Amino acid sequence: DAGVIQSPRHEVTEMGQEVTLRCKPISGHNSLFWYRQTMMRGLELLIYFNNNVPIDDSGMPEDRFSAKMPNASFSTLKIQPSEPRDSAVYFCASSPQGFSGNTIYFGEGSWLTVV
Amino acid sequence: AQKVTQAQTEISVVEKEDVTLDCVYETRDTTYYLFWYKQPPSGELVFLIRRNSFDEQNEISGRYSWNFQKSTSSFNFTITASQVVDSAVYFCALSEATGANNLFFGTGTRLTVIP
Repeated sequence: DAGVIQSPRHEVTEMGQEVTLRCKPISGHNSLFWYRQTMMRGLELLIYFNNNVPIDDSGMPEDRFSAKMPNASFSTLKIQPSEPRDSAVYFCASSPQGFSGNTIYFGEGSWLTVV
Repeated sequence: AQKVTQAQTEISVVEKEDVTLDCVYETRDTTYYLFWYKQPPSGELVFLIRRNSFDEQNEISGRYSWNFQKSTSSFNFTITASQVVDSAVYFCALSEATGANNLFFGTGTRLTVIP
C-alpha cells in the first residue's frame, strides 16, 4: 500500500522565492497534518485538516505560510516569501479518523533549504 | 499542559547489547495515547507502536519491547540484541483525548549501534 507521498523531497531556493510543498495522504485517511522539524524546535505541528477542512492552524508561524486541501487526496503548504529561517524538514502525515489517538503516518519529508 | 521528556540525548551501544530508551510524559487527561517513532538516517518517520492509557500491558515485538507504567508516567522502549540497522533517532510522542488530534513529540534520542 502506498504511504503518504510528499514532493519535492529536496528543495533549495533563494530568499524571497515562493515555495510549494505537496502531499498526497494515504487513501481513505481523512485527517492530514503538516509538521515541521528543526534542530531548535524539534517536531511541531503547523496545521491539521479533517475532511479537507482546516481544524487547527495555530502552529502556522506567520502569514507567509498557507496550507490548502482542495480534495481528500491532495494538500499543499506554501511559503511566500521564503526566508532562511524557514529551512527545515516539512512532514506531511495522515491518519484514518479525526479523533485523538489514531496513529499518524508520516511521509518521507520535504527538505527545504532557503539561502 | 502536556509534555514528553526524553532525557537521553544520545546513546551509543555495541552491537548485540540491549538498550533502553526512556520516555516520561505529563498530561492532565485520563485518556491519552503514547507512541514511539523511529527516524533512520534517511529521514522518514516510521511508526513503531501505539498504546492507550488504559492498557498497561507490556508489549513485545521481535527484538523490541515497551514498558508502560502509569505510576511513574513512563513509556520506555527496549531493544534487545541491538543491530547496526537500529541506529536512528527515536521519538516518543503523546496524544491527548481532548482537544485537537495532535502528537506532542519528545526531543528524541539518537541511538548509535557500533559494529
